[in-house]
Amino acid sequence: QVQLVQSGAEVKKPGASVKVSCKASGPGDTFITYYMHWVRQAPGQGLEWMGVSNRYGAGTTYAQKFQGRVTMTRDTSTSTVYMELSSLKSDDTAVYYCARDKGGNSWDYWGQGTLITISS
Amino acid sequence: QTVVTQEPSFSVSPGGTVTLTCGLSSGSVSSDSYPSWYQQTPGQAPRTLIYGTNIRSSGVPDRFSGSILGNKAALTITGAQADDESDYYCLLYMGSGISVFGGGTKLTVL
Repeated sequence: QVQLVQSGAEVKKPGASVKVSCKASGPGDTFITYYMHWVRQAPGQGLEWMGVSNRYGAGTTYAQKFQGRVTMTRDTSTSTVYMELSSLKSDDTAVYYCARDKGGNSWDYWGQGTLITISS
Repeated sequence: QTVVTQEPSFSVSPGGTVTLTCGLSSGSVSSDSYPSWYQQTPGQAPRTLIYGTNIRSSGVPDRFSGSILGNKAALTITGAQADDESDYYCLLYMGSGISVFGGGTKLTVL
């Protein structure tokens, strides 16, 4: 069974940065062949697409809202993707999810979510 | 900036059929938008229901179906059950690697 296991909840101060990890495991896992998306959900709000780490090392694509503040990386040796968000503000308080995409926006597995709280 | 639109809320009777839609503030949704649908209950991660317009994700009951209706993507639930009461989100591919979620539909089964 494929699993995406994310790092634990964190509390950060305004202006700081946070880095969330998402480790993929499971049978027949060929990590490099998947797109890996990041999505966030503020308290009581809807889902917001943040960006994607493209497969086969083809770089990243970010939502315009997060350009300049977000960096998505992947370590194929450990099947882990990372999402780092900088210059944190109170409205970055949210649950952050990773999700696996086989291609053509066919998302099949989601991480459990990581709560990031921004508080002074 | 193009916005993805969904009905904020909908209700259906148990056993009934409901169709949720996903549109664009400017333009039409087609299969080239690779519409997908997600179900989320409070406190849980989203679950993928449909991708590629009408392909059910593994383990999803066949009472869930996806289609294009007119200029929108649609999710139809046939024979609604109590545990279908959830938030439903659509996702559209905008091109150039960009995807956008709709605002979500809160479905009540009563």
